[in-house]
Amino acid sequence: KAGVTQTPRYLIKTRGQQVTLSCSPISGHRSVSWYQQTPGQGLQFLFEYFSETQRNKGNFPGRFSGRQFSNSRSEMNVSTLELGDSALYLCASSLRPYEQYFGPGTRLTVT
Amino acid sequence: GQQVMQIPQYQHVQEGEDFTTYCNSSTTLSNIQWYKQRPGGHPVFLIQLVKSGEVKKQKRLTFQFGEAKKNSSLHITATQTTDVGTYFCAASSNTGKLIFGQGTTLQVKP
Repeated sequence: KAGVTQTPRYLIKTRGQQVTLSCSPISGHRSVSWYQQTPGQGLQFLFEYFSETQRNKGNFPGRFSGRQFSNSRSEMNVSTLELGDSALYLCASSLRPYEQYFGPGTRLTVT
Repeated sequence: GQQVMQIPQYQHVQEGEDFTTYCNSSTTLSNIQWYKQRPGGHPVFLIQLVKSGEVKKQKRLTFQFGEAKKNSSLHITATQTTDVGTYFCAASSNTGKLIFGQGTTLQVKP
């Protein structure tokens, strides 16, 4: 089976812009979670989607949003980018509860 | 909110030495997972522990879940250069979110 794929892999944006990241889960996985990884804060949970519904949400401002489509593919959007949003954004899909399979991530740099 | 503390933050060992990372919580955990992230890579699921006092082995890796289900450890016997990376523990919160520890970065000197 193909693993979790994320696009794009690298992105450079300027402050104030918005960005959309995409994630395709492993076939058959209906749960998709998003994480932000930075050297200072580590792995921080953003949100989880299951069957097109947001099932859980982390402690991030409303500028961070996401959605899941009927084919389980997911997107996350960050509006009004700030310098502090520079991070590796990881998507993970799962079949069993909590056993996460991560994608390679999208490296976002905000200048 | 629920937190999972992981120590040490960094560990440098000589190849062949053992390595242990510890994960602690102030609250009882329903389960704990361990992940490994190689430099430049993404976290890879290693194992999940569910039962009190559970011990699981994967070749040179031994995972333990404390009797009180508040702590866990990952022990690597006779480290190799391929063990280099950051090891994370993760626990599910009472709302179902996965909370990650800060990770322990292992460096192995050949």
